[in-house]
Amino acid sequence: KQEVTQIPAALSVPEGENLVLNCSFTDSAIYNLQWFRQDPGKGLTSLLLIQSSQREQTSGRLNASLDKSSGRSTLYIAASQPGDSATYLCAVTYNDMRFGAGTRLTVKP
Amino acid sequence: NAGVMQNPRHLVRRRGQEARLRCSPMKGHSHVYWYRQLPEEGLKFMVYLQKENIIDESGMPKERFSAEFPKEGPSILRIQQVVRGDSAAYFCASSPGNMDEQYFGPGTRLTVT
Repeated sequence: KQEVTQIPAALSVPEGENLVLNCSFTDSAIYNLQWFRQDPGKGLTSLLLIQSSQREQTSGRLNASLDKSSGRSTLYIAASQPGDSATYLCAVTYNDMRFGAGTRLTVKP
Repeated sequence: NAGVMQNPRHLVRRRGQEARLRCSPMKGHSHVYWYRQLPEEGLKFMVYLQKENIIDESGMPKERFSAEFPKEGPSILRIQQVVRGDSAAYFCASSPGNMDEQYFGPGTRLTVT
């Protein structure tokens, strides 16, 4: 069964902290993995896409890694800001895209 | 290049009515995906379409739900005889090709009263 799990479900940190969000998947035969951000009542904003042949991708303060063999990905956010507060979703593409339940991040000023 | 567009953004229907949700993919994208996000739940894949073809509808409920992506015009997700349990946010995504990065629309929030 192709399942995607995200830990923790919720995370609260003070502004300026570096943090890591975790995503695990049960079937390593993926095409790609994508991290999204979703603000309350809004759509999804794509943050980073990692192809199955890649190990990591970086964009600004964000870095995502992929370890297919262990079925894990991490999203690293450096120097967190209150504007980073949102739900972060991990999605794995097999024949279709499977989403984790998300990590709800709150960055306190 | 406008992003993925969905309309309406909010839709209220009474039980038993029909709901039609529209999705216009990004320019140059011929692959469309529909997802549903139930309250307090994650997104679930529903259906994957290319122009005039349904490629994968494994996530679609067997009854009352249908989707199309005609040669001209937007993709339509149609829900007949809506029930309260259909209340959710419905997201559309598009990509230029199979397994390419998907770009999401803002969603349509359906409320069934």
